[in-house]
Amino acid sequence: AQTVTQSQPEMSVQEAETVTLSCTYDTSENNYYLFWYKQPPSRQMILVIRQEAYKQQNATENRFSVNFQKAAKSFSLKISDSQLGDTAMYFCAFMKQGAGNMLTFGGGTRLMVKP
Amino acid sequence: KAGVTQTPRYLIKTRGQQVTLSCSPISGHRSVSWYQQTPGQGLQFLFEYFSETQRNKGNFPGRFSGRQFSNSRSEMNVSTLELGDSALYLCASSTSGATDTQYFGPGTRLTVL
Repeated sequence: AQTVTQSQPEMSVQEAETVTLSCTYDTSENNYYLFWYKQPPSRQMILVIRQEAYKQQNATENRFSVNFQKAAKSFSLKISDSQLGDTAMYFCAFMKQGAGNMLTFGGGTRLMVKP
Repeated sequence: KAGVTQTPRYLIKTRGQQVTLSCSPISGHRSVSWYQQTPGQGLQFLFEYFSETQRNKGNFPGRFSGRQFSNSRSEMNVSTLELGDSALYLCASSTSGATDTQYFGPGTRLTVL
C-alpha cells in the first residue's frame, strides 16, 4: 500500500512571494504518477500539476513547478509570484500506473496568501 | 466541454436512512471514481467504475455501493446511514486509460443527523 505525507498542515506567504509545499510518499512501485490538487473554499478540487515517475524532468505549469526526487520519494510544489487566489488547501496525491484510476491523498496543506 | 456534475449538492438525512448520489462525468470520459472527504480521515478512495464494471474498491463497508450506467453516469448508494457518514463526497472522471488524470466535480455535502 502507498502512503502520502504532507508535513506542513498550514503555511502562509505574502502576495508576490514564493512558497514551497512539501510532500513525501512511500511506495514499492517503480511506475506511478504524482499530482498536486488545489481545493479552494468552494471545495472544488482542481488539478494543479502532474508528474510521471519515469520522467526525470520536473513538471511546470505557469507559476507552479515541482521538485521531483524519485530516490528520496519527495515531490514538492513551488508556487512563484503567489496570488490571493492561490489561497486553498493543497493535496499531494499518488496513483499507481496500470492499476486503474485510484488516488491516494496526503493530509493536505492549508495555504494562506496574505496581501 | 462541461465539467463533472454531481447532484444533489447538499443533502440532509437521518440515521438509518439510505441515500443515492449521482455523478455525470465529462463527456467522453468512461472512468468514474468516488472519494469521501472528512475532517478526521481526509480524502479516501471509495471505488472506481469503468465501462459499467467496478475496477477498484477502497476499504469501506458493504453499506457503500455504486454502479455505472451505459452512458458513464454513476451513482453511489449508502444504506443504513450512520453519523460518521457525514462527509463531502467527491466524484472524479477520467478518459479511459488504466492511469489517467482525474477531474473532480463540486461534491455532494451529506449531513447525517
